[in-house]
Amino acid sequence: AQRVTQPEKLLSVFKGAPVELKCNYSYSGSPELFWYVQYSRQRLQLLLRHISRESIKGFTADLNKGETSFHLKKPFAQEEDSAMYYCALSGSNSGGYQKVTFGTGTKLQVIP
Amino acid sequence: DVKVTQSSRYLVKRTGEKVFLECVQDMDHENMFWYRQDPGLGLRLIYFSYDVKMKEKGDIPEGYSVSREKKERFSLILESASTNQTSMYLCASTSSGELGTDTQYFGPGTRLTVL
Repeated sequence: AQRVTQPEKLLSVFKGAPVELKCNYSYSGSPELFWYVQYSRQRLQLLLRHISRESIKGFTADLNKGETSFHLKKPFAQEEDSAMYYCALSGSNSGGYQKVTFGTGTKLQVIP
Repeated sequence: DVKVTQSSRYLVKRTGEKVFLECVQDMDHENMFWYRQDPGLGLRLIYFSYDVKMKEKGDIPEGYSVSREKKERFSLILESASTNQTSMYLCASTSSGELGTDTQYFGPGTRLTVL
């Protein structure tokens, strides 16, 4: 079974402070990890994926297989970063199909 | 640009009614998904489909069924709506190759209230 854990429901930081949204996963194979973001009154959209190894809107995330983590980081938070963030894992289910499992989400609140 | 649309943004139904939620995508994606989004529970997969007339159960299929008669359209059906099905429903699609490894494109969501 695959599982994604986001331990924080709410994370409040001041503008300009560093941000780290935690994500831990459980999966026996080689996972693909994603971060999705949902801004207020907008649809859920991809922020970044680990295989791309790119920085989007100043955010980065490194897959740490030893710690089974995929934390999302940004050195200096901006007010426009306030949103709901979901970590997601893509793996194979028992039927052999790739299946995406989402975490419970972390609401990031950037205080001006 | 991928466009995923859902038939209604808001829907209010009564207990016991049959409810249809429609999702259409315009990018010729093979794979389509239905999730429900609840505070504190995140997104939970209800059903998905990797081809026309094909469907697979997700994590919480009970009380739901789906229909995929055309490639671009994936319908979620609540046979007899109950109050615990009050939720935000999200549809998503991905291109094929390896199901789930491509980016999921989401619709705007349908907020269903069952009275």
